[in-house]
This record gives sequence, C-alpha cells and structure tokens, in this order.
Amino acid sequence: GQNIDQPTEMTATEGAIVQINCTYQTSGFNGLFWYQQHAGEAPTFLSYNVLDGLEEKGRFSSFLSRSKGYSYLLLKELQMKDSASYLCAVSDSNYQLIWGAGTKLIIKP
Amino acid sequence: IAGITQAPTSQILAAGRRMTLRCTQDMRHNAMYWYRQDLGLGLRLIHYSNTAGTTGKGEVPDGYSVSRANTDDFPLTLASAVPSQTSVYFCASSPGTDDNEQFFGPGTRLTVL
Repeated sequence: GQNIDQPTEMTATEGAIVQINCTYQTSGFNGLFWYQQHAGEAPTFLSYNVLDGLEEKGRFSSFLSRSKGYSYLLLKELQMKDSASYLCAVSDSNYQLIWGAGTKLIIKP
Repeated sequence: IAGITQAPTSQILAAGRRMTLRCTQDMRHNAMYWYRQDLGLGLRLIHYSNTAGTTGKGEVPDGYSVSRANTDDFPLTLASAVPSQTSVYFCASSPGTDDNEQFFGPGTRLTVL
C-alpha cells in the first residue's frame, strides 16, 4: 500500500528553527510537495523536490532523499504566522498526489 | 473571478438528498481534482479530470460523480447524501498532470444529518 507518515503535532518557539519530517512508501515517485494550511483555509504550495538534496526558499527549505523515502521541511526564524498545518504529498507513478495527514505546528512566544 | 472558486461555502444537508458542489477556475488549467479532508486523515482524492471531456476515479469515488463539460467547471454531485460524507471538500486545479503544483479553492464544509 501507499503510505505517508509525518508527526501529528509539533511545538516550537518564536524565532527558533523547526524541522518537520516526512517518510513515504508509494508506488512510483514523481516528486514530493510541501503545502501549508492555516486553520479553516485551503492548502497553499510551499515547495517541490524531485531530485535529492536541499531546496532553499527564503526562511523555508525542503530536503529529499529518494533512497531513504524521506523528506523534511525546515522553517527558520519562526514567526507566529507560521502556526499552521504542514502537509507532505508524494506524486505517485500516475502523477496523483498521495497526502500525509499533516503536522500541526504550534508556535509559542 | 481570480483563481479557483467553490460554492457553497458551507451546507447542511438531510441524508438522502441530492447535492452538487460547484467549482470554477479561470486559470485555463487542464487538470482539476476533488478532495475530501477529514480530521486525522490526509486529503483523499475523490475524482479527477486531466482535461475537459475526461474524468477518472480517485481513492474514494463511491457515492460521488463528476462531469467536465468545459475547461473551467468541475462540479461534484452527491446523488443521495449519507452522514459519512460529512467533510470539507476542496477543489483544486493544475496546469497539467505531471510535476505541477495544485492550486486549491477555499473549500466547502458539508454536514449531512
């Protein structure tokens, strides 16, 4: 079966760094996406990785290791507005997205 | 219209009733998707359309139907609603079907009593 695992909830302090992990087992791999979803809102795109390595975009970075079936999202200089759920999704052999349940990130002052 | 819109925003529905959720995009995207999101679960694909005139079944298609008569519109119909269809429904679109970011509508919160 296809499976995406990520922690249910994490807590971090404003100004700090947090790493959200995602492991996956899917039938085929055509890239991994990270989305942000604020409570009551739609998911919005953060990053896309298809090759191994680190992709940096401002305060957010995403890493992929295809051999390990592993990715992480790194958020630096945390701000209160970063409080949200972070969704990991893998594009499978049919280019359909398989979604993790999301990680709720709580930022404390 | 800018982006992707959904209607209604929320709805309370009696079991057994028929309901159509509307989705419209103005980005001329070829691919469109319907997901449901339930607490503790990831987004689950209900139906998709790779291009106007074609549709396909996702992970949880039972009890739902879709049509794609043109590029812009992708309505989702519940023929006879049941309480297990209580959920938040998101419509999404992407330029193509491979390696493409999906853009999401604001969602429809549906309660079936």
